[in-house]
Amino acid sequence: AQTVTQSQPEMSVQEAETVTLSCTYDTSESNYYLFWYKQPPSRQMILVIRQEAYKQQNATENRFSVNFQKAAKSFSLKISDSQLGDTAMYFCAFMKPNSGYALNFGKGTSLLVTP
Amino acid sequence: DSGVTQTPKHLITATGQRVTLRCSPRSGDLSVYWYQQSLDQGLQFLIHYYNGEERAKGNILERFSAQQFPDLHSELNLSSLELGDSALYFCASSAGQTNTEAFFGQGTRLTVV
Repeated sequence: AQTVTQSQPEMSVQEAETVTLSCTYDTSESNYYLFWYKQPPSRQMILVIRQEAYKQQNATENRFSVNFQKAAKSFSLKISDSQLGDTAMYFCAFMKPNSGYALNFGKGTSLLVTP
Repeated sequence: DSGVTQTPKHLITATGQRVTLRCSPRSGDLSVYWYQQSLDQGLQFLIHYYNGEERAKGNILERFSAQQFPDLHSELNLSSLELGDSALYFCASSAGQTNTEAFFGQGTRLTVV
């Protein structure tokens, strides 16, 4: 079974600063996908960014970018110019095609952005 | 708004009872996934349906069952409820069987007392 580990239960960052959330995973598969989801207090799960394992280029979505290190099985999320609205739980997730495209989530990191 | 609708938003019931959670996927989406989010277990995949057929099972208890109807809405049935079944239950939908982008509903908060 794949495991996804987020080693930082809580983090805080000041507005406009940059923060990096860590995620490691364990798999023997070569074809898979990695995701970061955001869950604000409204509890809605929102896709932040997605990375295909076969792509070497790191994914970027506006202020959000990832550092995907396939050999190290590491997938960290960098949030630049943090905003108060970024306050949320962030979940790293793993998906492999032969498991029905289901998401396997880490335990999450609670991020607080302070003024 | 993701376009995925879950009802009810909140549900309080007693141990031993049975409840049904409902999910309407985004218009045109054929895949429906169910997830459970609890303090103990975190976010766990339960089951995946595609166009009415079960495609994958995760950590779904035997007391739980699901189905997807011809109009593509899905129901998750939870029976013989226990205190530990209290959780947030999410439905997510995606366009096809192999799409990697899933859109989540707002969840149903189940409290078993």
